[in-house]
Amino acid sequence: DAGVTQSPTHLIKTRGQQVTLRCSPKSGHDTVSWYQQALGQGPQFIFQYYEEEERQRGNFPDRFSGHQFPNYSSELNVNALLLGDSALYLCASSPRPDGLPYEQYFGPGTRLTVT
Amino acid sequence: LAKTTQPISMDSYEGQEVNITCSHNNIATNDYITWYQQFPSQGPRFIIQGYKTKVTNEVASLFIPADRKSSTLSLPRVSLSDTAVYYCLVGPNTGGFKTIFGAGTRLFVKA
Repeated sequence: DAGVTQSPTHLIKTRGQQVTLRCSPKSGHDTVSWYQQALGQGPQFIFQYYEEEERQRGNFPDRFSGHQFPNYSSELNVNALLLGDSALYLCASSPRPDGLPYEQYFGPGTRLTVT
Repeated sequence: LAKTTQPISMDSYEGQEVNITCSHNNIATNDYITWYQQFPSQGPRFIIQGYKTKVTNEVASLFIPADRKSSTLSLPRVSLSDTAVYYCLVGPNTGGFKTIFGAGTRLFVKA
């Protein structure tokens, strides 16, 4: 049973460019959340997707957008990259977005470096 | 939103029991307490979750007093591989904007 997978593992971009990160959820999970983790800090919630729609959003600008596909995989897009966007981007999946508490399964992350 | 406060770092030795306490004075009635473990350059890993009293699994125990304003994660007989950052989260579920990761507690286990 494959866990959460993310691609690519590492990525180097130049300021002003655009980037797309990809995530495949754990088998049986239909909800995907994205987090940004700066060095030495805890993960910060970006947004959550369920049934191909953005359901919840954290305090991130519109430069951060996403998409969820019918197979539940998801993409995170960041436009007009800033140096401050350099971070580990984590994808987490879960069986449902709300209701009774559940545990999230995190992927290994994508390390984005903006130069 | 329920904010959590944890010690920034803790040191321990192999074989000892480690207790990490988290304060969450503003916890809401429908909030659960969840702990995650994170190793460098990896995603967080779910450890344990509880609502009240005591919860135990094969990895850890979680103690929650009656007022639920704090909780204690207990790791029995730690090993070097338990060196990691431990996050305490409080929220109605373990995903979404209502759940906030703080800076976590960096646990160093020494030989």
